[in-house]
Amino acid sequence: NAGVTQTPKFRILKIGQSMTLQCAQDMNHNYMYWYRQDPGMGLKLIYYSVGAGITDKGEVPNGYNVSRSTTEDFPLRLELAAPSQTSVYFCASRFGTGDNEQFFGPGTRLTVL
Amino acid sequence: AQTVTQSQPEMSVQEAETVTLSCTYDTSESDYYLFWYKQPPSRQMILVIRQEAYKQQNATENRFSVNFQKAAKSFSLKISDSQLGDAAMYFCAYRSATGTASKLTFGTGTRLQVTL
Repeated sequence: NAGVTQTPKFRILKIGQSMTLQCAQDMNHNYMYWYRQDPGMGLKLIYYSVGAGITDKGEVPNGYNVSRSTTEDFPLRLELAAPSQTSVYFCASRFGTGDNEQFFGPGTRLTVL
Repeated sequence: AQTVTQSQPEMSVQEAETVTLSCTYDTSESDYYLFWYKQPPSRQMILVIRQEAYKQQNATENRFSVNFQKAAKSFSLKISDSQLGDAAMYFCAYRSATGTASKLTFGTGTRLQVTL
């Protein structure tokens, strides 16, 4: 199993550009999450999904969109990038409920200039 | 909403010594989970240890153990026999046991340095 994979690892955007951060998991997890980590801070939840076709906002959703057309993939779309979106983005997934562990991807470092 | 507070931005420990990282949280729920995650320079988030709120016994994983004080809403991590590889950011996290999304709420982290 590859676990949770994210692409790209690094990206520099200009203000106003758009991009999609890719996330995929091969563990058949139904729950998937997107977090952002600003310098010196903890992770904050952007969006999450409890299954294909179901998404919901987290703590900091403004400026982002998501979709979940398959169990495996959960892309995060940035429209009109702003310097405030400079951050490290983590995708995570877990199975079911209870105390099942949340698995994290390696992160994408995004800089908006 | 739940909050997680880590009041120690940085800690330092000598190799082979013991260090304790602090975490407090605020919640009105009675059933929840608490976690400690390690984030080395590679950025990968690694689960260190977890605690279920309804279990009175403190969790232990090899050199890592927790002191869970439910009434005080405190969840500290003790690292024994510290090793150079323990140097990392450590995040405390909370997760409700109810609801459908099982979202994690993180603290701001403690950077642990390990010196020779």
